[in-house]
Amino acid sequence: EAAVTQSPRNKVTVTGGNVTLSCRQTNSHNYMYWYRQDTGHGLRLIHYSYGAGNLQIGDVPDGYKATRTTQEDFFLLLELASPSQTSLYFCASSRDWGCQNTLYFGAGTRLSVL
Amino acid sequence: AQSVTQPDARVTVSEGASLQLRCKYSYFGTPYLFWYVQYPRQGLQLLLKYYPGDPVVQGVNGFEAEFSKSNSSFHLRKASVHWSDWAVYFCAVEGADRLTFGKGTQLIIQP
Repeated sequence: EAAVTQSPRNKVTVTGGNVTLSCRQTNSHNYMYWYRQDTGHGLRLIHYSYGAGNLQIGDVPDGYKATRTTQEDFFLLLELASPSQTSLYFCASSRDWGCQNTLYFGAGTRLSVL
Repeated sequence: AQSVTQPDARVTVSEGASLQLRCKYSYFGTPYLFWYVQYPRQGLQLLLKYYPGDPVVQGVNGFEAEFSKSNSSFHLRKASVHWSDWAVYFCAVEGADRLTFGKGTQLIIQP
């Protein structure tokens, strides 16, 4: 079973604060993703990557940066956090892209921006 | 661009009753479709997936889904729900480079 670990599990920050969410997968997957989940919106893709050093823009990228430092590690950065970024964030990974590849999700990070 | 509509934000069923969760998709061409489940305080897990072939797809824990091209639908079904099925269910369609999820349906089980 693929393992995706997110940290921290919960985070509280203030408006204008600097936040980094971490994600590590240990299954040699090529693709990694950051989603946010909000009531009434479901899951929305923020950024994704298909390898170390690669970054692709998702559907709701504004206010977020991401960096894939290794095949295992994918970080989401909020440099000037705003209350609108209060959300539940999920990281996911998949071996490759395409129907035959399942996304494996972490347990999520709940972020509150006060 | 592709899209998914789950018209029911919340569905309540009695334990042991049958279940149908609705999903409508919009996609140019032949879609690849998925159902994911999110149990309380957990990440999403794959329930089942469809790619061209048999329109009825079997998943885990007794779930199945039926693809209809004419109705642009991919509804999820289960013959008899259990309290452990209490979760949020997401339908998704695969695009060129990403999955697009619906807003999810919260399934509530009544004893």
